[in-house]
Amino acid sequence: DAKTTQPTSMDCAEGRAANLPCNHSTISGNEYVYWYRQIHSQGPQYIIHGLKNNETNEMASLIITEDRKSSTLILPHATLRDTAVYYCIVRAALNQAGTALIFGKGTTLSVSS
Amino acid sequence: DGGITQSPKYLFRKEGQNVTLSCEQNLNHDAMYWYRQDPGQGLRLIYYSQIVNDFQKGDIAEGYSVSREKKESFPLTVTSAQKNPTAFYLCASSINSYADEQFFGPGTRLTVL
Repeated sequence: DAKTTQPTSMDCAEGRAANLPCNHSTISGNEYVYWYRQIHSQGPQYIIHGLKNNETNEMASLIITEDRKSSTLILPHATLRDTAVYYCIVRAALNQAGTALIFGKGTTLSVSS
Repeated sequence: DGGITQSPKYLFRKEGQNVTLSCEQNLNHDAMYWYRQDPGQGLRLIYYSQIVNDFQKGDIAEGYSVSREKKESFPLTVTSAQKNPTAFYLCASSINSYADEQFFGPGTRLTVL
């Protein structure tokens, strides 16, 4: 799987948009970008994923650059409950030889009032 | 409610003892996974199972064993051969091994004294 690079930590004011960047310069053509988050001492939670088009769901938006070498997760109106570690992961959707997600250290997002 | 349960939340054992961590899911998922997380680190894959009666080693399988006799259950045994067993253990499942989303349990924090 391609490696990802994320900032170690970010801060965001409550009610503002949180923009979390991720670099994945070695991503392959068949690899998707996934985002998960982990609130302290809980299991990770799926947020969103995409291949090359921008994606939006009830939790967040995912913006992928045209060359697919980087992406940004956007939480449009951050709340205190969005404080968590956010993981950017790339993997092939049809990976037959090891199907688990590879989690790096992620970005610790701190939302404050 | 459908979901993944792990028990207990906290577990203490003496050094040299084997211990088995429970993971049960009622989501009718074929694939199940075990991850280990150390403080400030991402998740690392221990074992995964794509279907009943089948499982494969992940990146850090040494000192661990699993079984998959039933679709809904994937217990993990931490043996005395595991040199640093104190960690946060997370179980996950997905519809199949190609699924986009993995669902995680709440985790078991194992402390070996």
